[in-house]
Amino acid sequence: DTEVTQTPKHLVMGMTNKKSLKCEQHMGHRAMYWYKQKAKKPPELMFVYSYEKLSINESVPSRFSPECPNSSLLNLHLHALQPEDSALYLCASSQELAGYNEQFFGPGTRLTVL
Amino acid sequence: DAKTTQPPSMDCAEGRAANLPCNHSTISGNEYVYWYRQIHSQGPQYIIHGLKNNETNEMASLIITEDRKSSTLILPHATLRDTAVYYCIVRVGGGGYNKLIFGAGTRLAVHP
Repeated sequence: DTEVTQTPKHLVMGMTNKKSLKCEQHMGHRAMYWYKQKAKKPPELMFVYSYEKLSINESVPSRFSPECPNSSLLNLHLHALQPEDSALYLCASSQELAGYNEQFFGPGTRLTVL
Repeated sequence: DAKTTQPPSMDCAEGRAANLPCNHSTISGNEYVYWYRQIHSQGPQYIIHGLKNNETNEMASLIITEDRKSSTLILPHATLRDTAVYYCIVRVGGGGYNKLIFGAGTRLAVHP
C-alpha cells in the first residue's frame, strides 16, 4: 500500500469555525508533512513531523495547529482562518526525515474560507 | 539548497520524447537533483532523482551534465496522461533534512 489518504476532499468554513484536516498512511513511514498550495503556485512546506514529534515549523501562523497522534495519522486543526488561507492542503509522508527518501503525497483537501 | 530555473511551459506531441531542462548552476557537491510532477488536481508524484550519473527508471530518464550545473528529464514516449507541472528540485542528500522546496516548475502540455 503506497497510498496517502486525506479527508475531507473539500471543506468550506467560516472565519469563526474550527475544523480539522486528516491524513493517514500505512506504509510505516516515520516522517509526515503538511504543505499549502495556492492556485497556480507550487506547494509550500508548512510542518514536518518525525517520529511523531514536530521537527520543522516554517513560521506558520498559530491559527494552524498540527497534531500527530500516532505514526500513521497526521491532523491539521484550523481555527479563525482568513479568506487568504483558502488553498489546497497536501499531506505527504516519507520513510525518514533525514536522507533522500521519496515523499508520497495525498490528493489534498481543497479548503475554502468564507 | 540550490535554486533551480525551468522554462514556464513546454509542448510535446503524443508519442514523442519530452525533454524538460533544468538549470541549477549553484549546485554543490552533495546536492541531489529530484524531479516530481503534479497532474491537475492531484498531489505531486515522485519521478526520479540523481547525483551525478544518469539515471533511468520505468517513468523517465535523468541526464545530468558533467559539471552538474544543469539536467534534463526525458519522458521517452509522452502520452496525454503526462500533461502536468514538472518540478526540478535540488536538495542535500545523506544527512540533510528531506525537505522539498518547490520552484515554479514547467507546465508540460502533451497534445494529440
